[in-house]
Amino acid sequence: GESVGLHLPTLSVQEGDNSIINCAYSNSASDYFIWYKQESGKGPQFIIDIRSNMDKRQGQRVTVLLNKTVKHLSLQIAATQPGDSAVYFCANMTGAGSYQLTFGKGTKLSVIP
Amino acid sequence: DTAVSQTPKYLVTQMGNDKSIKCEQNLGHDTMYWYKQDSKKFLKIMFSYNNKELIINETVPNRFSPKSPDKAHLNLHINSLELGDSAVYFCASSQPGDQPQHFGDGTRLSIL
Repeated sequence: GESVGLHLPTLSVQEGDNSIINCAYSNSASDYFIWYKQESGKGPQFIIDIRSNMDKRQGQRVTVLLNKTVKHLSLQIAATQPGDSAVYFCANMTGAGSYQLTFGKGTKLSVIP
Repeated sequence: DTAVSQTPKYLVTQMGNDKSIKCEQNLGHDTMYWYKQDSKKFLKIMFSYNNKELIINETVPNRFSPKSPDKAHLNLHINSLELGDSAVYFCASSQPGDQPQHFGDGTRLSIL
């Protein structure tokens, strides 16, 4: 069945270092992917998205990489800051007519000052 | 200014009671959602409405009944609350299809 999973449930990085959060998905028909950041007591906040016709997309300090061959998605955060500490979720959708976003389990990122 | 707002933020009540959670979005989106986040932070879709029409109804007990009076509102009514209903419930909205969904800050429901 459809699943979106994460390789590591927790990640600790030193302030200023780069962070990489990984995600695997199982449905090869998935064509839209989103990364969300959830801070304590808040709702998931959109970070960046990517469609299956791309393999890389960059935002401010963030880059998403998509490898459709191995069904793998990653989020790279450059120069990680204490404010980046949160739980990060990948999510995917299958089909332009679909409204259903399937979330992965989440990775907790802790930034060490 | 808040894009997706839901009330109340906290809801503490006893087993067997009936309660409602309200959600409003001012983003002009056509589609709204309810998600449940369990204690392990796993987020799962419950319902989705597009332009006031129900389009996703996951395997959710029929004690949960969503209502969309207009495109900007999606409320969730829960009858006969059970201990297992304790969770954080998130409302979200988006334009239809493969577009980012924007979330509210959640309603933490605790059943005593």
